[in-house]
Amino acid sequence: DGGITQSPKYLFRKEGQNVTLSCEQNLNHDAMYWYRQDPGQGLRLIYYSQIVNDFQKGDIAEGYSVSREKKESFPLTVTSAQKNPTAFYLCASKAGGPYEQYFGPGTRLTVT
Amino acid sequence: AQSVTQLGSHVSVSEGALVLLRCNYSSSVPPYLFWYVQYPNQGLQLLLKYTSAATLVKGINGFEAEFKKSETSFHLTKPSAHMSDAAEYFCAVSAGGSNYKLTFGKGTLLTVNP
Repeated sequence: DGGITQSPKYLFRKEGQNVTLSCEQNLNHDAMYWYRQDPGQGLRLIYYSQIVNDFQKGDIAEGYSVSREKKESFPLTVTSAQKNPTAFYLCASKAGGPYEQYFGPGTRLTVT
Repeated sequence: AQSVTQLGSHVSVSEGALVLLRCNYSSSVPPYLFWYVQYPNQGLQLLLKYTSAATLVKGINGFEAEFKKSETSFHLTKPSAHMSDAAEYFCAVSAGGSNYKLTFGKGTLLTVNP
């Protein structure tokens, strides 16, 4: 079945540690996205990539980094510079054009 | 610039009652509009989308939405609520451009009472 996988489902880290969230898709989509979700704030765009080896900052990119070395993969690193990293992180992908985004199941990150 | 406003962060209905979730958008160009549903601790699932074809759009699970350009609205309705409809609903707008980025509303939590 085609879809998007995110791993792990739950992730716990100590403050000051970098952590990488995985996102893989087998939909052959060119574009991929990372969102952060906090209660009552909807989804906020962190980074997006329209093509391999290219990505752009979204609305809240500070403290995050990404790479896009393969079409299928778009990992997100939450660095120690992110002041409030505890959140639910969602990855999405989209075919080219005005089409809907498909979402993964999400990773809940807790930093203490 | 594009934006979405969802009126009411929490809507409560009785089972069998009409569901109405409100969404107003702002866009400088003809928009593409989407409604997504999210169950607890899960990703978002597309309910329906408007991409400049028919203004009344039917989606999954009995939901539909009507695009009204004059009111810049795209409200989501369902004639009869079911307990399984309890979830959070997000409206999103894409105003085209080279990447068709989505801008999401803050969401409306729907509670269905027995």
